[in-house]
Amino acid sequence: ETGVTQTPRHLVMGMTNKKSLKCEQHLGHNAMYWYKQSAKKPLELMFVYNFKEQTENNSVPSRFSPECPNSSHLFLHLHTLQPEDSALYLCASSPTGGGLATDTQYFGPGTRLTVL
Amino acid sequence: AQTVTQSQPEMSVQEAETVTLSCTYDTSESDYYLFWYKQPPSRQMILVIRQEAYKQQNATENRFSVNFQKAAKSFSLKISDSQLGDAAMYFCAYKDNSIYAGKSTFGDGTTLTVKP
Repeated sequence: ETGVTQTPRHLVMGMTNKKSLKCEQHLGHNAMYWYKQSAKKPLELMFVYNFKEQTENNSVPSRFSPECPNSSHLFLHLHTLQPEDSALYLCASSPTGGGLATDTQYFGPGTRLTVL
Repeated sequence: AQTVTQSQPEMSVQEAETVTLSCTYDTSESDYYLFWYKQPPSRQMILVIRQEAYKQQNATENRFSVNFQKAAKSFSLKISDSQLGDAAMYFCAYKDNSIYAGKSTFGDGTTLTVKP
C-alpha cells in the first residue's frame, strides 16, 4: 500500500472523545477526498480538496472537521461523534482538478471507526 | 442530480465462467466518465475499468470489459474466466467532466461471490 495510506486502520472512541484520522498520498496528486462507507448504504462523499482548498462539503455535520495542510496530507478531526457515525472512512486522491479521464480516484484502505 | 443504480445486490458465478454486473445511471450531461471499482473484503478499493462517455468503443482491461449503452444510460461490467480473486464488492461510479475534482456518484454496490 504505497499509494494512499490511512492511519489508524481501526479506531474505537467514545462520544466525548476527540480523535483524528490521517491520510497521506504518495502519488503526487492534487485532489483529496473523504468518503463515508456505511453498511447497506452507498459510498457518501464528505469533502473534496483541490490544491489544498476545500471545494466540496457535502452537508457534513460540524463534528467532522477536515484539514488539508498540503496536497499530500488530509486529516479528518472528530469530536462528539454519535454511534451512527460508525463506519469505514475512506480517503482518496486523484491527479488533478477533475476534467480529465485520467482523473481517477485512488483509494486508501480506510479507517474502521466505531463510536461507542 | 446524477444517480447510479446497481440493481443486483448480490451475484454469484462459477469459477472460469462469465458474469455480468449491471449498472444504470441518470444524468443530463453529455460529457462524463464512468468507472467500475472493486473492493475485496477488508482490502483497498481499486479501479477496475473506466469509460469516457464520448468514446463509442467499449473499454476493456484483460478479463474485464464493459457494455456502454449511452442512449440507454447503461454501463455493465463483464468478467470473463472468473477467478476466486474476483470475489469482491463492485461499485459503479459516475463523474461529470468538471474543471474541478469533485463529486463522483457511486452505486450501492454488488457483492460478487465466485464458487470454486
